[in-house]
Amino acid sequence: GQSLEQPSEVTAVEGAIVQINCTYQTSGFYGLSWYQQHDGGAPTFLSYNALDGLEETGRFSSFLSRSDSYGYLLLQELQMKDSASYFCAVRAGTGGFKTIFGAGTRLFVKA
Amino acid sequence: EPEVTQTPSHQVTQMGQEVILRCVPISNHLYFYWYRQILGQKVEFLVSFYNNEISEKSEIFDDQFSVERPDGSNFTLKIRSTKLEDSAMYFCASSEKTGGNSPLHFGNGTRLTVT
Repeated sequence: GQSLEQPSEVTAVEGAIVQINCTYQTSGFYGLSWYQQHDGGAPTFLSYNALDGLEETGRFSSFLSRSDSYGYLLLQELQMKDSASYFCAVRAGTGGFKTIFGAGTRLFVKA
Repeated sequence: EPEVTQTPSHQVTQMGQEVILRCVPISNHLYFYWYRQILGQKVEFLVSFYNNEISEKSEIFDDQFSVERPDGSNFTLKIRSTKLEDSAMYFCASSEKTGGNSPLHFGNGTRLTVT
């Protein structure tokens, strides 16, 4: 089966850097993705890592280590609007037809 | 920017009734999905659909659920006999491909309340 573990909650102050970790177990790995979800909203795609290393997209970066089955999302220069839930996700199954999400990390950004 | 649209935004139904949730995926996408999210919990995979057939489904997607692409644009989820525990937000999503670098694009969801 597939499982993803991530912290349930993280709190940080505006302007700071925060790292959200994710460990996964899956058969047929197709890469690790991250999604953001604001309260009452839909999940929106943030980033994707297929290979080991760091991917940077503006204030957000994502890292993957396939040998450790581990990744993280790094958010820099935190803003109040970054307060949301962040989900790591993996494609799974034969052909990667399903994306499985972690339980989500609730990020609270304080002034 | 093209987006996935879902209707209705909120559906209230009585236990035992049938509901149909509707979605219009992004027009050039070939893969379609339904997810559900019980309030405050994780986003759970229900089913994926490609080439007019189910490509993968979860244990949640039992005989009371069905999906259909009745025409070239709509994608529907039917729940035959709703239960109280079916109350959740249901998200439709679509993607261009199945690879991880082909992200899921989600609609804004239908909040289903079963009374």
